[in-house]
Amino acid sequence: EPEVTQTPSHQVTQMGQEVILRCVPISNHLYFYWYRQILGQKVEFLVSFYNNEISEKSEIFDDQFSVERPDGSNFTLKIRSTKLEDSAMYFCASTPVGTYEQYFGPGTRLTVT
Amino acid sequence: RKEVEQDPGPFNVPEGATVAFNCTYSNSASQSFFWYRQDCRKEPKLLMSVYSSGNEDGRFTAQLNRASQYISLLIRDSKLSDSATYLCVDLNYGQNFVFGPGTRLSVLP
Repeated sequence: EPEVTQTPSHQVTQMGQEVILRCVPISNHLYFYWYRQILGQKVEFLVSFYNNEISEKSEIFDDQFSVERPDGSNFTLKIRSTKLEDSAMYFCASTPVGTYEQYFGPGTRLTVT
Repeated sequence: RKEVEQDPGPFNVPEGATVAFNCTYSNSASQSFFWYRQDCRKEPKLLMSVYSSGNEDGRFTAQLNRASQYISLLIRDSKLSDSATYLCVDLNYGQNFVFGPGTRLSVLP
């Protein structure tokens, strides 16, 4: 069964550094999303992406964040100048055409020190 | 601001018991909802979609009450493997998901 994959599984970075989190959505899916979950808190929407552009973003997704689909398979989330409060689990998700169901990857645990 | 509320629990139930969770949502225009389960430090996994009044899949039954703006999830004949956090999700304007904080379930032997 096809799955969303994410790399790395755990990323440790120093405050102020840039990180890129990578996702490979399921191959025939066309809608892609990033969510984050701070430890002990609920899952929060960051951004949705369709047809090579952002379709919606939350107030969390400010100028510090950007997304890109650099080729036909990868979907990346870049966080510039990381802050301590960016420490969280970041989940990528994708949706096929014709449904609203979202399928989540295993997540990248980001630790900012 | 669109919100989804859930009783955080934990619900501790013996194996074989029936347990029900409720979830309330604030967006009266919402049409589609989902239940996901999340194991500790893992990703949410889709359990059930709720597009109309309800849905049933084996031991799991979801019901939607639009008038009162709540969704319920009933689990019959609980198994040890059902222990997880159950996330109620509102599909916001057909775009992104609004997650509830989750209800923790522990099924005890």
